[in-house]
Amino acid sequence: GAVVSQHPSRVICKSGTSVKIECRSLDFQATTMFWYRQFPKQSLMLMATSNEGSKATYEQGVEKDKFLINHASLTLSTLTVTSAHPEDSSFYICSARFLEETQYFGPGTRLLVL
Amino acid sequence: EDKVVQSPLSLVVHEGDTVTLNCSYEVTNFRSLLWYKQEKKAPTFLFMLTSSGIEKKSGRLSSILDKKELFSILNITATQTGDSAVYLCAGDSSNTGKLIFGQGTTLQVKP
Repeated sequence: GAVVSQHPSRVICKSGTSVKIECRSLDFQATTMFWYRQFPKQSLMLMATSNEGSKATYEQGVEKDKFLINHASLTLSTLTVTSAHPEDSSFYICSARFLEETQYFGPGTRLLVL
Repeated sequence: EDKVVQSPLSLVVHEGDTVTLNCSYEVTNFRSLLWYKQEKKAPTFLFMLTSSGIEKKSGRLSSILDKKELFSILNITATQTGDSAVYLCAGDSSNTGKLIFGQGTTLQVKP
């Protein structure tokens, strides 16, 4: 299967700082990337969908000014959590897809905001 | 509203048992149903099903889709402790291109 990487795998930061998470498709071109959030013992919640070269589409209830998404190339998307607060602590997972094919997930990033 | 419902939500079995996980869906402009396995990290892909009645197999795992009844099952035979995980199914809509996830089934396989 296709390989998607995320960096960092784990990050701890102070409240009020911004954190950037990178998602890369390593062996295919990702025309679409998705960002999910997962709380303990819950399923994945889609935050936003991004197509290369265009603005991300955010799900209802997700603040676009708080969660900045950039999909500047066919292999890289970034999610920046701005002015992070403890309630933003979560497991953030990206996935990538080429055209209409299967979504492959990155390994996830655990964010802890103190 | 699109939704995917999995059952049971959790399951405890012993090694060697066979398990069947269920997934029902209501997805507008349904394109495919996907099964993923999630251990401590992000989900890993198991199967993608697009056609009714065609079983997909990978080792001890198999899955089938019923597009008339809007249902899929994931079977695991001769379970092993390494099968312990959360199994997620998701409906893919050609309308939105998004995956709609079920709540997941937590499977624990005891030695």
